[in-house]
Amino acid sequence: DVKVTQSSRYLVKRTGEKVFLECVQDMDHENMFWYRQDPGLGLRLIYFSYDVKMKEKGDIPEGYSVSREKKERFSLILESASTNQTSMYLCASSSDNPLATTYNEQFFGPGTRLTVL
Amino acid sequence: KQEVTQIPAALSVPEGENLVLNCSFTDSAIYNLQWFRQDPGKGLTSLLLIQSSQREQTSGRLNASLDKSSGRSTLYIAASQPGDSATYLCAGSTSNQFYFGTGTSLTVIP
Repeated sequence: DVKVTQSSRYLVKRTGEKVFLECVQDMDHENMFWYRQDPGLGLRLIYFSYDVKMKEKGDIPEGYSVSREKKERFSLILESASTNQTSMYLCASSSDNPLATTYNEQFFGPGTRLTVL
Repeated sequence: KQEVTQIPAALSVPEGENLVLNCSFTDSAIYNLQWFRQDPGKGLTSLLLIQSSQREQTSGRLNASLDKSSGRSTLYIAASQPGDSATYLCAGSTSNQFYFGTGTSLTVIP
């Protein structure tokens, strides 16, 4: 079974702090994604990566950056946390191999509930 | 940009009922269609994936269908149980992009 893990389930930070959220997948997936989920707004894509050291902006990249130094790990960085970044953060991965039975199927981690005070 | 609508936004049914959740897309040129379940405060669990060459998928009491020509998908849940209470989201994909609906919140009353 695909497993996507996130470094923390709950995180409380102060305004201005630098915050790292880490995501690891164990299925050798090429694609990895970071979303945030807020009530009434659904899931919004922050960044995604289709290969090591590659990244693409999603719909709401402002205030965030990402790092993908290894295929299995995708990090989301809040350079200077603000209260409007309080949210649920969800990481996902998917396969780019058309021969895989799970081709283009997204698998999600358990989420990190971040509160910025 | 692809927009995804899920109707109804909330649904409450007595245990044992069959029910249908709806998902529609503004751009019918989607590749795959995936249905997820989300429990409060948790991540998304994949339920069914309909790939581009398929029209429906079944898993246990769940059946999902996809009509690309109309840009619509339905999730059918048979003989609903209280444990089915959750939010259900659909997502369509085009290459590496995934587009999510805002979900249907389902409550199954014992």
